[in-house]
Amino acid sequence: AQSVTQLDSQVPVFEEAPVELRCNYSSSVSVYLFWYVQYPNQGLQLLLKYLSGSTLVESINGFEAEFNKSQTSFHLRKPSVHISDTAEYFCAVSPNAGGTSYGKLTFGQGTILTVHP
Amino acid sequence: GAVVSQHPSRVICKSGTSVKIECRSLDFQATTMFWYRQFPKKSLMLMATSNEGSKATYEQGVEKDKFLINHASLTLSTLTVTSAHPEDSSFYICSASGSGKRSPLHFGNGTRLTVT
Repeated sequence: AQSVTQLDSQVPVFEEAPVELRCNYSSSVSVYLFWYVQYPNQGLQLLLKYLSGSTLVESINGFEAEFNKSQTSFHLRKPSVHISDTAEYFCAVSPNAGGTSYGKLTFGQGTILTVHP
Repeated sequence: GAVVSQHPSRVICKSGTSVKIECRSLDFQATTMFWYRQFPKKSLMLMATSNEGSKATYEQGVEKDKFLINHASLTLSTLTVTSAHPEDSSFYICSASGSGKRSPLHFGNGTRLTVT
């Protein structure tokens, strides 16, 4: 079984400031790691994922996350946020077993990022 | 990109009635669909996994007779909440993936169910 902990339920930040959203997980097997974003009144969208290879993964809109196996973390960072980044962010894991495992996601509780002007 | 349509987006029903939620993949064949439930201020929890043409696999603690899942075609899965009660009020989200071990997962926009 897996569990995911997002340490901060809400993160307020000013525009152009850096931000880090923390995510820790526990699992008895190796996992894939994901960050999803949910904008107001919209569904979940995949922001980035770690499957294998380089432990630093990036999204097209400037977010990055680094898989740290020893610390079982997958923190999400952005050096300079925009108002449009205001959303709820979910960290998730799935067991690294192929097949339909991509969809058997275990989610964290979510972090609401609010970017103020 | 690939789109998953979930309908309705909001539904209010009376206690004791049944409600059906549809999840459609619009431009790809969804071999597998997943149904999640999101409680207020809590995370999404996987309810069940359905593969086209076979019975759904429910997670521990989810009542299969209460939450009926049908995946009759490669583009449609339905979740029926039977004999709904106020405690069933929640946000239900479906997701779908195609064939292949690393097919991406696409989420619907969710359905807000309120049982009065």
